[in-house]
Amino acid sequence: EAGVAQSPRYKIIEKRQSVAFWCNPISGHATLYWYQQILGQGPKLLIQFQNNGVVDDSQLPKDRFSAERLKGVDSTLKIQPAKLEDSAVYLCASSLRGPQGARNTIYFGEGSWLTVV
Amino acid sequence: DQQVKQNSPSLSVQEGRISILNCDYTNSMFDYFLWYKKYPAEGPTFLISISSIKDKNEDGRFTVFLNKSAKHLSLHIVPSQPGDSAVYFCAASPYSGYALNFGKGTSLLVTP
Repeated sequence: EAGVAQSPRYKIIEKRQSVAFWCNPISGHATLYWYQQILGQGPKLLIQFQNNGVVDDSQLPKDRFSAERLKGVDSTLKIQPAKLEDSAVYLCASSLRGPQGARNTIYFGEGSWLTVV
Repeated sequence: DQQVKQNSPSLSVQEGRISILNCDYTNSMFDYFLWYKKYPAEGPTFLISISSIKDKNEDGRFTVFLNKSAKHLSLHIVPSQPGDSAVYFCAASPYSGYALNFGKGTSLLVTP
Protein backbone atom coordinates (compact mmCIF):
# COMPACT_ATOMS: atom_id res chain seq x y z
CA GLU A 1 0.00 0.00 0.00
CA ALA A 2 1.38 3.39 -0.97
CA GLY A 3 2.04 5.80 1.86
CA VAL A 4 1.34 9.50 2.19
CA ALA A 5 3.05 11.33 -0.66
CA GLN A 6 4.35 14.88 -0.34
CA SER A 7 6.14 17.29 -2.64
CA PRO A 8 8.42 19.08 -2.91
CA ARG A 9 10.75 17.46 -0.38
CA TYR A 10 12.92 20.55 -0.04
CA LYS A 11 12.32 24.22 -0.73
CA ILE A 12 14.40 27.33 -0.08
CA ILE A 13 12.72 30.70 -0.54
CA GLU A 14 13.34 34.28 0.43
CA LYS A 15 11.16 35.95 3.03
CA ARG A 16 8.01 37.52 1.65
CA GLN A 17 7.92 34.98 -1.18
CA SER A 18 5.21 32.35 -1.49
CA VAL A 19 5.40 28.56 -1.44
CA ALA A 20 2.96 25.70 -1.88
CA PHE A 21 3.15 22.11 -0.68
CA TRP A 22 1.16 19.21 -2.05
CA CYS A 23 -0.05 16.07 -0.32
CA ASN A 24 -1.69 12.88 -1.51
CA PRO A 25 -2.98 10.79 1.40
CA ILE A 26 -3.23 7.03 1.65
CA SER A 27 -6.01 5.80 -0.59
CA GLY A 28 -9.35 5.71 1.19
CA HIS A 29 -8.25 7.81 4.14
CA ALA A 30 -10.98 10.30 4.97
CA THR A 31 -9.02 12.51 7.33
CA LEU A 32 -6.01 14.59 6.32
CA TYR A 33 -3.78 16.66 8.56
CA TRP A 34 -1.06 19.25 8.06
CA TYR A 35 1.48 19.53 10.85
CA GLN A 36 4.37 21.96 11.27
CA GLN A 37 7.52 20.70 12.95
CA ILE A 38 10.12 23.26 13.95
CA LEU A 39 13.58 21.93 14.74
CA GLY A 40 13.74 20.55 18.27
CA GLN A 41 9.97 20.54 18.70
CA GLY A 42 7.24 17.99 18.26
CA PRO A 43 4.83 18.31 15.33
CA LYS A 44 2.11 20.93 15.79
CA LEU A 45 -1.25 20.66 14.05
CA LEU A 46 -2.01 23.39 11.53
CA ILE A 47 -5.23 22.09 9.99
CA GLN A 48 -7.35 18.95 9.89
CA PHE A 49 -9.75 17.98 7.09
CA GLN A 50 -12.51 15.40 7.19
CA ASN A 51 -13.11 14.58 3.52
CA ASN A 52 -13.10 18.08 2.00
CA GLY A 53 -14.37 19.93 5.06
CA VAL A 54 -12.24 21.65 7.72
CA VAL A 55 -12.50 20.08 11.19
CA ASP A 56 -9.92 22.17 13.00
CA ASP A 57 -7.85 25.12 11.78
CA SER A 58 -7.53 26.91 15.11
CA GLN A 59 -3.72 26.95 14.99
CA LEU A 60 -3.37 27.94 11.35
CA PRO A 61 -1.97 31.49 10.94
CA LYS A 62 -4.69 32.50 8.55
CA ASP A 63 -3.13 35.83 7.63
CA ARG A 64 -0.43 33.96 5.71
CA PHE A 65 -1.30 30.26 5.60
CA SER A 66 -4.08 28.67 3.59
CA ALA A 67 -4.99 25.08 2.82
CA GLU A 68 -7.54 23.31 0.73
CA ARG A 69 -8.61 19.78 0.01
CA LEU A 70 -10.67 19.81 -3.11
CA LYS A 71 -12.63 16.63 -3.92
CA GLY A 72 -11.67 15.18 -0.55
CA VAL A 73 -8.39 13.63 -1.72
CA ASP A 74 -5.26 15.71 -2.44
CA SER A 75 -4.46 18.78 -0.43
CA THR A 76 -2.28 21.86 -0.82
CA LEU A 77 -0.83 24.09 1.88
CA LYS A 78 0.23 27.58 0.88
CA ILE A 79 2.29 30.19 2.69
CA GLN A 80 2.18 33.76 1.44
CA PRO A 81 4.15 35.79 2.36
CA ALA A 82 6.69 33.61 4.11
CA LYS A 83 8.52 34.71 7.24
CA LEU A 84 11.83 33.51 8.63
CA GLU A 85 10.03 31.72 11.47
CA ASP A 86 8.14 29.58 8.96
CA SER A 87 11.31 27.55 8.41
CA ALA A 88 10.20 24.07 9.42
CA VAL A 89 9.19 20.66 8.16
CA TYR A 90 5.61 20.53 6.95
CA LEU A 91 4.19 17.08 7.55
CA CYS A 92 1.07 15.77 5.89
CA ALA A 93 -0.71 12.84 7.54
CA SER A 94 -3.86 10.86 7.02
CA SER A 95 -6.08 8.46 8.90
CA LEU A 96 -8.75 6.05 7.80
CA ARG A 97 -11.72 7.44 9.65
CA GLY A 98 -12.58 10.71 11.29
CA PRO A 99 -13.65 11.53 14.83
CA GLN A 100 -16.76 9.37 14.59
CA GLY A 101 -14.77 6.32 13.65
CA ALA A 102 -13.19 3.66 15.78
CA ARG A 103 -9.65 4.15 17.00
CA ASN A 104 -7.25 4.34 14.11
CA THR A 105 -3.71 5.44 13.53
CA ILE A 106 -2.42 8.57 11.85
CA TYR A 107 0.21 7.94 9.16
CA PHE A 108 2.73 10.59 8.13
CA GLY A 109 4.45 11.45 4.90
CA GLU A 110 8.17 12.15 4.73
CA GLY A 111 7.64 15.89 5.02
CA SER A 112 8.43 19.01 3.02
CA TRP A 113 11.43 20.88 4.37
CA LEU A 114 11.14 24.65 4.08
CA THR A 115 13.97 27.11 4.64
CA VAL A 116 13.13 30.81 4.53
CA VAL A 117 16.16 33.07 4.11
CA ASP B 1 0.62 25.05 26.54
CA GLN B 2 2.46 21.73 26.31
CA GLN B 3 -0.08 19.02 27.12
CA VAL B 4 2.30 16.16 26.36
CA LYS B 5 5.72 16.31 27.94
CA GLN B 6 8.85 14.31 27.31
CA ASN B 7 11.27 15.61 29.89
CA SER B 8 14.33 13.71 28.70
CA PRO B 9 15.68 15.20 25.46
CA SER B 10 18.12 12.34 25.03
CA LEU B 11 18.92 8.85 26.23
CA SER B 12 21.91 6.59 25.60
CA VAL B 13 21.69 2.83 26.11
CA GLN B 14 23.99 -0.08 25.38
CA GLU B 15 22.95 -2.63 22.81
CA GLY B 16 21.04 -5.51 24.39
CA ARG B 17 19.93 -3.50 27.40
CA ILE B 18 16.49 -2.06 28.08
CA SER B 19 15.54 1.41 26.85
CA ILE B 20 12.83 3.22 28.82
CA LEU B 21 11.34 6.38 27.37
CA ASN B 22 8.93 8.38 29.50
CA CYS B 23 6.02 10.67 28.75
CA ASP B 24 3.65 12.70 30.92
CA TYR B 25 0.39 14.36 29.94
CA THR B 26 -1.83 16.93 31.57
CA ASN B 27 -5.14 16.63 29.72
CA SER B 28 -7.44 14.13 31.48
CA MET B 29 -9.55 13.91 28.30
CA PHE B 30 -6.77 12.08 26.45
CA ASP B 31 -7.70 8.45 26.00
CA TYR B 32 -5.53 7.25 23.14
CA PHE B 33 -1.75 7.29 23.22
CA LEU B 34 0.80 6.52 20.58
CA TRP B 35 4.54 6.36 20.13
CA TYR B 36 6.16 7.41 16.87
CA LYS B 37 9.72 6.87 15.77
CA LYS B 38 11.51 9.34 13.53
CA TYR B 39 14.74 8.95 11.62
CA PRO B 40 16.51 12.03 10.23
CA ALA B 41 14.99 13.39 7.01
CA GLU B 42 11.96 11.10 7.31
CA GLY B 43 8.46 11.55 8.62
CA PRO B 44 7.38 9.99 11.93
CA THR B 45 6.43 6.33 11.67
CA PHE B 46 3.87 4.70 13.93
CA LEU B 47 5.36 2.33 16.47
CA ILE B 48 2.78 1.27 19.05
CA SER B 49 -0.39 2.57 20.68
CA ILE B 50 -2.50 2.05 23.76
CA SER B 51 -6.03 3.04 24.67
CA SER B 52 -7.04 4.17 28.11
CA ILE B 53 -8.91 0.95 28.84
CA LYS B 54 -5.59 -0.90 28.97
CA ASP B 55 -2.50 -0.47 31.09
CA LYS B 56 -0.11 -2.40 28.87
CA ASN B 57 0.31 -3.19 25.20
CA GLU B 58 3.08 -5.30 23.78
CA ASP B 59 4.38 -5.71 20.23
CA GLY B 60 7.55 -7.72 19.88
CA ARG B 61 10.40 -5.86 21.55
CA PHE B 62 8.21 -2.84 22.27
CA THR B 63 5.89 -2.47 25.27
CA VAL B 64 3.93 0.60 26.26
CA PHE B 65 2.70 1.03 29.83
CA LEU B 66 -0.02 3.47 30.81
CA ASN B 67 -0.62 4.77 34.33
CA LYS B 68 -3.78 6.86 34.09
CA SER B 69 -3.81 7.98 37.69
CA ALA B 70 -0.31 9.42 37.29
CA LYS B 71 -0.99 10.60 33.72
CA HIS B 72 2.19 8.84 32.70
CA LEU B 73 3.17 6.42 29.99
CA SER B 74 6.41 4.76 29.10
CA LEU B 75 7.87 2.85 26.18
CA HIS B 76 10.14 -0.09 26.90
CA ILE B 77 12.41 -1.51 24.21
CA VAL B 78 13.96 -4.86 25.06
CA PRO B 79 16.53 -5.71 23.89
CA SER B 80 17.69 -2.43 22.41
CA GLN B 81 19.39 -2.55 19.01
CA PRO B 82 21.53 0.03 17.18
CA GLY B 83 18.77 0.38 14.56
CA ASP B 84 16.49 1.68 17.32
CA SER B 85 18.55 4.88 17.43
CA ALA B 86 16.06 7.59 16.46
CA VAL B 87 13.89 10.32 17.95
CA TYR B 88 10.81 8.94 19.72
CA PHE B 89 7.70 11.07 20.01
CA CYS B 90 4.90 10.46 22.46
CA ALA B 91 1.47 11.58 21.22
CA ALA B 92 -2.02 11.66 22.65
CA SER B 93 -5.55 12.48 21.56
CA PRO B 94 -8.99 12.58 23.17
CA TYR B 95 -10.26 10.19 20.52
CA SER B 96 -8.59 8.46 17.63
CA GLY B 97 -9.02 10.43 14.46
CA TYR B 98 -8.73 13.66 16.34
CA ALA B 99 -5.42 15.37 15.81
CA LEU B 100 -2.56 14.21 17.94
CA ASN B 101 -0.78 16.33 20.53
CA PHE B 102 2.93 15.59 20.46
CA GLY B 103 5.73 15.84 22.97
CA LYS B 104 9.06 17.36 21.97
CA GLY B 105 10.68 13.97 21.50
CA THR B 106 13.47 11.95 23.09
CA SER B 107 16.55 11.14 21.05
CA LEU B 108 17.61 7.54 21.72
CA LEU B 109 21.13 6.39 20.95
CA VAL B 110 21.86 2.69 21.20
CA THR B 111 25.57 2.01 21.28
CA PRO B 112 27.21 -1.29 20.32
